[in-house]
Amino acid sequence: GQSLEQPSEVTAVEGAIVQINCTYQTSGFYGLSWYQQHDGGAPTFLSYNALDGLEETGRFSSFLSRSDSYGYLLLQELQMKDSASYFCASNTGGFKTIFGAGTRLFVKA
Amino acid sequence: DGGITQSPKYLFRKEGQNVTLSCEQNLNHDAMYWYRQDPGQGLRLIYYSQIVNDFQKGDIAEGYSVSREKKESFPLTVTSAQKNPTAFYLCASSVGTSNQPQHFGDGTRLSIL
Repeated sequence: GQSLEQPSEVTAVEGAIVQINCTYQTSGFYGLSWYQQHDGGAPTFLSYNALDGLEETGRFSSFLSRSDSYGYLLLQELQMKDSASYFCASNTGGFKTIFGAGTRLFVKA
Repeated sequence: DGGITQSPKYLFRKEGQNVTLSCEQNLNHDAMYWYRQDPGQGLRLIYYSQIVNDFQKGDIAEGYSVSREKKESFPLTVTSAQKNPTAFYLCASSVGTSNQPQHFGDGTRLSIL
């Protein structure tokens, strides 16, 4: 089957660094995306990795290792507004994207 | 400002009733998608459309129908055949294939009366 596994919850302190892991098992893998969703809101795109390595966008970075079927999202200098759910998503080719169940991040003061 | 508009924000369905969720985009995107999200879960693909007058079933299409008569519009009908329709429904669009970022609407929350 096709699936993406990520932790259900992560808690971190304001100002700290947190890493959200994602392992995937999908056919026809083309790349890994990350989305942020605040409660009751729309998911918003954060990053996309098609190739192995690290992509950096401001306080957020995303990493992919195709050989390990693994990726992570790194959030630095955590702020209270970063409290949200984070989803990894696999592009399996064409127009189909498979989403993980999401990781709920709690940022404490 | 360009974006995706979903309406209504909240919708209630009676047993045996069909309801239609609206999705309009002014981003000039070719591809549009419908997802269902249940509490504590990820997004599951219901239908997607690559181009006008063409659409494909996703992973959970049973009990749903769509149309794509205009580039800007991709309405979703939840039919009476969908026995568990209570969920948060999200519409999205992208420039092309799904390696491009998907832009989401604010969603419609559907409940059964």
